[in-house]
Amino acid sequence: QKEVEQNSGPLSVPEGAIASLNCTYSDRGSQSFFWYRQYSGKSPELIMSIYSNGDKEDGRFTAQLNKASQYVSLLIRDSQPSDSATYLCAVPHSGTYKYIFGTGTRLKVLA
Amino acid sequence: DVKVTQSSRYLVKRTGEKVFLECVQDMDHENMFWYRQDPGLGLRLIYFSYDVKMKEKGDIPEGYSVSREKKERFSLILESASTNQTSMYLCASGGPSDEKLFFGSGTQLSVL
Repeated sequence: QKEVEQNSGPLSVPEGAIASLNCTYSDRGSQSFFWYRQYSGKSPELIMSIYSNGDKEDGRFTAQLNKASQYVSLLIRDSQPSDSATYLCAVPHSGTYKYIFGTGTRLKVLA
Repeated sequence: DVKVTQSSRYLVKRTGEKVFLECVQDMDHENMFWYRQDPGLGLRLIYFSYDVKMKEKGDIPEGYSVSREKKERFSLILESASTNQTSMYLCASGGPSDEKLFFGSGTQLSVL
């Protein structure tokens, strides 16, 4: 079992729709969870972090965390073509500084 | 403004050469990381360092070594480059373990 798993996609959604991206992790002790966005040919950049169970909203982005199910998701409301990118889920390994990424989900927002 | 600087954007080397990839951060971060990114495999951790002269192996350390003599600088060394080390190499730095990472712009290394 991979430590952080994501569906590779591509996930295609029409402009204006909600995009839902999912991530599962194996380390029950993990306390922090991050979503990075990576445009083609560019470096990853942080878009959301979440530490507690429940939802955290920031503009059009909502991160959802369920530690019991070891599941974290990212919702993008009113998706725009500029949201087309690969979204990486990242989870620092508990008790260490080892910071593990999923393989990423490629999102395509169709105009 | 936060900055992680990688010394080269593109690099072409020959098989068997010793290769140095340099990374410098200006945020006084304790933690620094080297990843490689390959299509379909995502970001894989090669080595990380949580303090000067301290290093730990990531998931794919074979064929690589690292050096951290100063807090701001973390170097990745390919002792004898091989074609299967052709990849995008990304350096990152961060504060305590539950804080976000900042990435450099990456080095696309081609080993011929």
